[in-house]
Amino acid sequence: AQSVAQPEDQVNVAEGNPLTVKCTYSVSGNPYLFWYVQYPNRGLQFLLKYITGDNLVKGSYGFEAEFNKSQTSFHLKKPSALVSDSALYFCAVDDKIIFGKGTRLHILP
Amino acid sequence: DADVTQTPRNRITKTGKRIMLECSQTKGHDRMYWYRQDPGLGLQLIYYSFDVKDINKGEISDGYSVSRQAQAKFSLSLESAIPNQTALYFCATSAGQGPHTDTQYFGPGTRLTVL
Repeated sequence: AQSVAQPEDQVNVAEGNPLTVKCTYSVSGNPYLFWYVQYPNRGLQFLLKYITGDNLVKGSYGFEAEFNKSQTSFHLKKPSALVSDSALYFCAVDDKIIFGKGTRLHILP
Repeated sequence: DADVTQTPRNRITKTGKRIMLECSQTKGHDRMYWYRQDPGLGLQLIYYSFDVKDINKGEISDGYSVSRQAQAKFSLSLESAIPNQTALYFCATSAGQGPHTDTQYFGPGTRLTVL
């Protein structure tokens, strides 16, 4: 069955440290891959996407994501975390429009 | 003004009542979607529409129906609401080509409580 997995419900990172939010997928073909962020009491906002080309994709707010076809992963990264990055993050694939369950990111001051 | 608007933003209703949630977009996109969000379950797709004449069921369409009144408007109805439909509902819109869906733009959400 097609699926998107975010294996961590919550990730805690100290401010200034690098962060990684993991995403793996099981989808046939070559789907588009996305990361979205949700702040409290808000709708989801687009961060970045991978369609084709360079495996490292840069997006909003200093975030980037690394596409790895052999591992079917699309991990979200940021070199230096900010307290304002604390939010709920969703990975998604466009095949059947599937979202992961979300990872809550806590950046500790 | 927001690109995607949803009304109402909050609604409390009783079991058995009919409820309609409305969504409008000014992005000019053909594709529109309805999702529900439950804690720990992420977003689940209820229905989607790739153009005015195209309506498709998502993974959790039972108990819901939709109407695509125009390119810019997509409504979700609960014909007879039940308590386990208590959730946060999001509308979204996107461009796309063929099977591929591009970036989705989300509304602010409707918090629905069914007593």
